[in-house]
Order: sequence, then structure tokens, then C-alpha cells
Amino acid sequence: EAGVVQSPRYKIIEKKQPVAFWCNPISGHNTLYWYRQNLGQGPELLIRYENEEAVDDSQLPKDRFSAERLKGVDSTLKIQPAELGDSAVYLCASSPSDGRYYEQYFGPGTRLTVT
Amino acid sequence: AQSVTQPDIHITVSEGASLELRCNYSYGATPYLFWYVQSPGQGLQLLLKYFSGDTLVQGIKGFEAEFKRSQSSFNLRKPSVHWSDAAEYFCAVGDRDGNKLVFGAGTILRVKS
Repeated sequence: EAGVVQSPRYKIIEKKQPVAFWCNPISGHNTLYWYRQNLGQGPELLIRYENEEAVDDSQLPKDRFSAERLKGVDSTLKIQPAELGDSAVYLCASSPSDGRYYEQYFGPGTRLTVT
Repeated sequence: AQSVTQPDIHITVSEGASLELRCNYSYGATPYLFWYVQSPGQGLQLLLKYFSGDTLVQGIKGFEAEFKRSQSSFNLRKPSVHWSDAAEYFCAVGDRDGNKLVFGAGTILRVKS
């Protein structure tokens, strides 16, 4: 069984440029999470989807961040425009849809560097 | 609000020595507790979890953790560390109301030969 797939693995951009990250969850997992992991910190939840609905986006900086999961499968996280402080690892995770939020499987992450 | 504290940013142990990584949590109810490991360039992998019952839980790779309610702790242990255990370890608490995990800042384990 394939795990959570993320691309790209690394991205270097200049500030004020846009950037997008893609995630494909484990097949059959209806819950999808985007986390941001700053250097020296643990992951922090940005947004959680149940199928195509964003059920918790309270920590998503909505002025510059957006996310979508149009068909309830793969998802894209976008930053526009990027700022220096957005440099971090962006992790995607998925879990089964039966309330087992604690059973999360993580992808390898996208390391973003904003210069 | 739920929170997790991992007091040690870095720990260095000799190969073959025992290991204990500390974790303290703050949660109003009976917590769900987890330990994850992250190797460089990799995602997080679940080592073990505690929901209820026996307070000593066994995980993968020879790790175990003990839940101590009186100390609000969930420390991770391994009797004999291998060089391949060098990684970053994260403790997390499950926020059942928010259906999410709250992570600590992590402890970087270095293993010296």
C-alpha cells in the first residue's frame, strides 16, 4: 500500500513569489491534514479536511494561504505571496474517516526555503 | 488548551546505553498520548500510543513508554540504543474535541559509538 505522497520535496523561492504544494493521501483515507513544521519545533496543524470540506482551518493564515481538496482525494496548499517567515517543512497526513484522527500517516514533507 | 512539553532539545547517548526521553502534557481529561520519530528528510512515524489500560505500552523498534497520571508524564524509553535510533522524537497529545494532535517541540537524539 502506498503511503502519503507529497511533491515537491524541496522548493526554493524568492519572497513575494507564489508556491504550491501537492499531497495525495493513502487510498480510502477521507481525512487529510496539512501541518507546518518550523525549524526546531513540532508540527502545527494548518487545516483539516473531511472529504472535500475544510472542517478546521482556524490556524491557516488566510491572508496568504489557501488550500483545496476539490474531489476529496488529493489536496493543494498554496502560499501567495510567500514571506521569509514561511520557510518551514510542510507536512501532509491522512487518517481513516471513522473518527480515528489519532491514527495519522505522514508524508515526507516539502521543505520550503524563501529567500 | 492542550500542550506538550519536551524539556530536552538534544540528548546524546552511547550506543548500547539506555535511553529515556521526557514528555509532559497538559490536558483536562484522560489523554491519548503518542510518540513519533522523524528521521532526516522523512515524515513522522508512529512509535507507540496510549489510550487506556496498562500504563506501560510497547511500541515498535524496541521502544516503550510509561504513562504517569500523577506526574502528567509519558516518557519514552529504550534499554539499549542502536546507532540507527538517531533521529528526532516527538511526543503528542490527542485533542479529542478538535480531532487533532498537538505536538511537543521534539528531542533530537544523537548516538555516539
